[in-house]
Amino acid sequence: EAQVTQNPRYLITVTGKKLTVTCSQNMNHEYMSWYRQDPGLGLRQIYYSMNVEVTDKGDVPEGYKVSRKEKRNFPLILESPSPNQTSLYFCASSLSLADYGYTFGSGTRLTVV
Amino acid sequence: DQQVKQNSPSLSVQEGRISILNCDYTNSMFDYFLWYKKYPAEGPTFLISISSIKDKNEDGRFTVFLNKSAKHLSLHIVPSQPGDSAVYFCAASGRMNAGNMLTFGGGTRLMVKP
Repeated sequence: EAQVTQNPRYLITVTGKKLTVTCSQNMNHEYMSWYRQDPGLGLRQIYYSMNVEVTDKGDVPEGYKVSRKEKRNFPLILESPSPNQTSLYFCASSLSLADYGYTFGSGTRLTVV
Repeated sequence: DQQVKQNSPSLSVQEGRISILNCDYTNSMFDYFLWYKKYPAEGPTFLISISSIKDKNEDGRFTVFLNKSAKHLSLHIVPSQPGDSAVYFCAASGRMNAGNMLTFGGGTRLMVKP
């Protein structure tokens, strides 16, 4: 089944403790992206990647890092999480930069205390 | 300031009737618009899209209308079914958006009552 898989689904952590949220897709998509969803604000893009080793900042990149060493994986790294990063995170992929029909993962609900 | 707004946080409709979800945008550079549907505990799924060269696009029970002069788009669902109950996000993009970024509205929760 074609899908985007995120792990973990739920995570509670403390301020400053580094964490990684994994994202993997099995559709050979070139484009991958991370979004965060906050009440009333919709989804906002954090980082994106057009292909292996090609990443760039989205709308709200502060406090996050990403890497794209393999085509299928696009982990999101929070080096020093803070409470304002408490949010619902979604990884998405699409065939190419020109394809807006994203496939989203099921989401990771992160709470930073 | 949000460039894409969905002013109705929620909407309740009777089964079989029409659901109309609205979305307004402020940036005239947007040239491609989409609707996504989201069920609880799942990621959003792509529903329907429209390019700015069109004013209507239809797919089964779902029709999206675009009024460029008013910077307004709407999603019509006819007839509405209980399985349509979900949160609907409109999204927009344009050539000025680096990295294929979609700008999303805040979402509208649709409840279709049997």
